[in-house]
Amino acid sequence: AQSVTQLDSHVSVSEGTPVLLRCNYSSSYSPSLFWYVQHPNKGLQLLLKYTSAATLVKGINGFEAEFKKSETSFHLTKPSAHMSDAAEYFCVVSERGNQAGTALIFGKGTTLSVSS
Amino acid sequence: DAGVIQSPRHEVTEMGQEVTLRCKPISGHNSLFWYRQTMMRGLELLIYFNNNVPIDDSGMPEDRFSAKMPNASFSTLKIQPSEPRDSAVYFCASSLLAGGNQPQHFGDGTRLSIL
Repeated sequence: AQSVTQLDSHVSVSEGTPVLLRCNYSSSYSPSLFWYVQHPNKGLQLLLKYTSAATLVKGINGFEAEFKKSETSFHLTKPSAHMSDAAEYFCVVSERGNQAGTALIFGKGTTLSVSS
Repeated sequence: DAGVIQSPRHEVTEMGQEVTLRCKPISGHNSLFWYRQTMMRGLELLIYFNNNVPIDDSGMPEDRFSAKMPNASFSTLKIQPSEPRDSAVYFCASSLLAGGNQPQHFGDGTRLSIL
């Protein structure tokens, strides 16, 4: 069975400092992994995805994530936080190899606060 | 290009009334998902369709909830009768049907308040 755990429910950083949002996953098969961001009163927007190509994945808005199979982790990072990065972030796992469309498993989310 | 379109954006109604939420997926996408988001339970998958056929409705909370997808460009989620505990933000998402490695694209949601 697949699952995803976001290790921090809330992360606070200062503008201009690095961001690290941690995610661990569990999957019986080769997983696809995603990070989504949700700004207030908006839907979820895809930041980046990993689907078995390069283990370091670059996304939008300067975010990137590294797939580490040995650690079953897919942490999200950004070198320098902007005020506009304040939002809710979701780590998501999906099992590949299933030829039918399949549902995604969402983590409980991490709220990122950015102070000036 | 247009994303996933949901209507209405906000709905306020009294308990016992029927509520219908609507979704237009991205053209060409053949999987559609309905989610509910609350502070207490986070994001929950209610039901999803592949090629207009319901695949998994195990997340639908009660028989008061029903969802249909009469064609590839339209889906509805209906609550009848509605109750205050149904108050939440309901999201629709769509994706290509491709073995689970396709991302889902979300609409902006319907914020539902049942008084």
